[in-house]
Amino acid sequence: QITLKESGPTLVKPTQTLTLTCTFSDFSLSTSGVGVGWIRQPPGKALEWLTVIYWDDDKRYTPSLRSRLTITKDTSKNQVVLTMTNMDPVDTATYYCAHVDTTVFQTFDYWGQGTLVTVSS
Amino acid sequence: QSVLTQPPSVSGAPGQRVTISCTGSSSNIGIGYDVHWFQQLPGTAPKLLIYGNNNRPSGVPDRFSGSKSGSSASLAITGLQAEDEAYYYCQSYDNNLSGYVFGTGTKVTVL
Repeated sequence: QITLKESGPTLVKPTQTLTLTCTFSDFSLSTSGVGVGWIRQPPGKALEWLTVIYWDDDKRYTPSLRSRLTITKDTSKNQVVLTMTNMDPVDTATYYCAHVDTTVFQTFDYWGQGTLVTVSS
Repeated sequence: QSVLTQPPSVSGAPGQRVTISCTGSSSNIGIGYDVHWFQQLPGTAPKLLIYGNNNRPSGVPDRFSGSKSGSSASLAITGLQAEDEAYYYCQSYDNNLSGYVFGTGTKVTVL
């Protein structure tokens, strides 16, 4: 059973850099077609895709946040790390990581439970 | 900034049929990318409900069905039940953005 879990700070100050880790099990990021993405959801608002990293280290970012986002993977540790610079209160949201297998469909079939990040001084 | 548009809310009585539309454009649904649907119960992570336009993952009741035509897609729930009260999101891939896109979300209320 594929599982993913997000970890990181629950509170960050404006202008700080957020670092979140997604630790997963029962799949490998070295398997062709597999990727891990990050999606966020501000309180009471819609889902917003942020970024994805694939098995071949291909990375995609949502254009509006490209300059602030970095995604990396550690295949040996089964982890994906998201960094977001210059955090602002509008970045307050629940951040989810999710599994995608592009050899099947371009969608996120397994999700972590999410972690709420609050940006406040 | 969602590029897929959904109605903010739909409602129906138990047992009724409701549909949720998802309108995209020629850079996503209209160009042939599949549409997928998620159900999000309060306080929980989204759950994949329909993938590849009209396929249900194991365990999803056949009361849920999806369809796609042109630049739009729809999710239908037949035999509406109280437990179906949730937010529903469509999702696809966008050529212009070279990434994934989600819908604006629809709240389903069971009267």
